[in-house]
Amino acid sequence: DAGVTQSPTHLIKTRGQQVTLRCSPKSGHDTVSWYQQALGQGPQFIFQYYEEEERQRGNFPDRFSGHQFPNYSSELNVNALLLGDSALYLCASSSRTGRFSGDTEAFFGQGTRLTVV
Amino acid sequence: DAKTTQPTSMDCAEGRAANLPCNHSTISGNEYVYWYRQIHSQGPQYIIHGLKNNETNEMASLIITEDRKSSTLILPHATLRDTAVYYCIVSLTGANNLFFGTGTRLTVIP
Repeated sequence: DAGVTQSPTHLIKTRGQQVTLRCSPKSGHDTVSWYQQALGQGPQFIFQYYEEEERQRGNFPDRFSGHQFPNYSSELNVNALLLGDSALYLCASSSRTGRFSGDTEAFFGQGTRLTVV
Repeated sequence: DAKTTQPTSMDCAEGRAANLPCNHSTISGNEYVYWYRQIHSQGPQYIIHGLKNNETNEMASLIITEDRKSSTLILPHATLRDTAVYYCIVSLTGANNLFFGTGTRLTVIP
């Protein structure tokens, strides 16, 4: 059973460009969350997708957008890249129970290391 | 979600028990305590979670105080591969909008 897979593993972009990161959730999972992890910091929640809609959003500007496809895979798009967007971008998948339940956990991918120059 | 307080770093001798504390004094009645760890350059990995009772699985044990204001993660026989940053998170679910904080950097020493 493949876990959460992310692509690409590493990426270098120029300031002002746009980038798309991809995530395939763990088999059986229908919910995808994205996190940004700057060097030396813990991951920060960007947003979560379920049923192809953004359900929750953290404190990130509109330059960060996403999409979820019918097969539950997801993309994270970042426009007008800034040097400060350099970070490890993590995708996490989970199974939504339809209501809040503590008996769930997130499975994380290995991340995409984005460097903006 | 409530926030947590953890020591910045800890050392543990290989083969000994590692006890990682976490304070979560503002936890609400329906929030769970979750522990994740992140080994260098990898994605976070789920370890264990609990609501009120102590929990044990193949990786670790979780001890939650009766007032639920603090907890301790126990790795019974630490190995070098347990060297990682350990995050204590309180959450209504273990998968939505997790607030990681800065965690505890555990170093297992040979």
